[in-house]
Amino acid sequence: AQTVTQSQPEMSVQEAETVTLSCTYDTSESDYYLFWYKQPPSRQMILVIRQEAYKQQNATENRFSVNFQKAAKSFSLKISDSQLGDAAMYFCAYRGPNGNQFYFGTGTSLTVIP
Amino acid sequence: GAGVSQTPSNKVTEKGKYVELRCDPISGHTALYWYRQSLGQGPEFLIYFQGTGAADDSGLPNDRFFAVRPEGSVSTLKIQRTERGDSAVYLCASSPPTSGRVKFFGPGTRLTVL
Repeated sequence: AQTVTQSQPEMSVQEAETVTLSCTYDTSESDYYLFWYKQPPSRQMILVIRQEAYKQQNATENRFSVNFQKAAKSFSLKISDSQLGDAAMYFCAYRGPNGNQFYFGTGTSLTVIP
Repeated sequence: GAGVSQTPSNKVTEKGKYVELRCDPISGHTALYWYRQSLGQGPEFLIYFQGTGAADDSGLPNDRFFAVRPEGSVSTLKIQRTERGDSAVYLCASSPPTSGRVKFFGPGTRLTVL
């Protein structure tokens, strides 16, 4: 089974600063999908950004970008100009080429300090 | 447009009781998923429906868990003879036919078994 590892249980960042959340995964597949989801206290998982493994270009969504290192099986999330509303749990997820389930990491709790 | 909705938001039951958790996916979404999220963990896959049929139920932990989607829209997750270890947040997600594998999650049902 695929495994997804988030080694930072908690992170904090000053408002307006930049923070990077780490994620590594294990797979023998060459084509797959990676996601970052945000889960605020409301519990609803919200898609932040996604990356197809066949694309070399790192995905970007406004203040959110990823550093996808396929050989290293690393998929970190960078949040620029952090805002108070960014405070939440962040989960990294992997989906294989033919599977339907996501494999999630254990999450990183992000605190934004005013 | 409405997102994925789940009812009830919270459910408290006693050990040994039967519970039903309901999920209303986004209209037009053919794929529906159930995940379970224990405290301090990422969501874990339970079951996946494509239309009315369970295409993958490999994540169901045992035969006390069962899910249906009789008309291809609303789904019900049923848990018999609940145990304290079943306490968790149960998340539902749906995907449209051409989603690019993106899942849209509901706010979850927090189940507490006393």
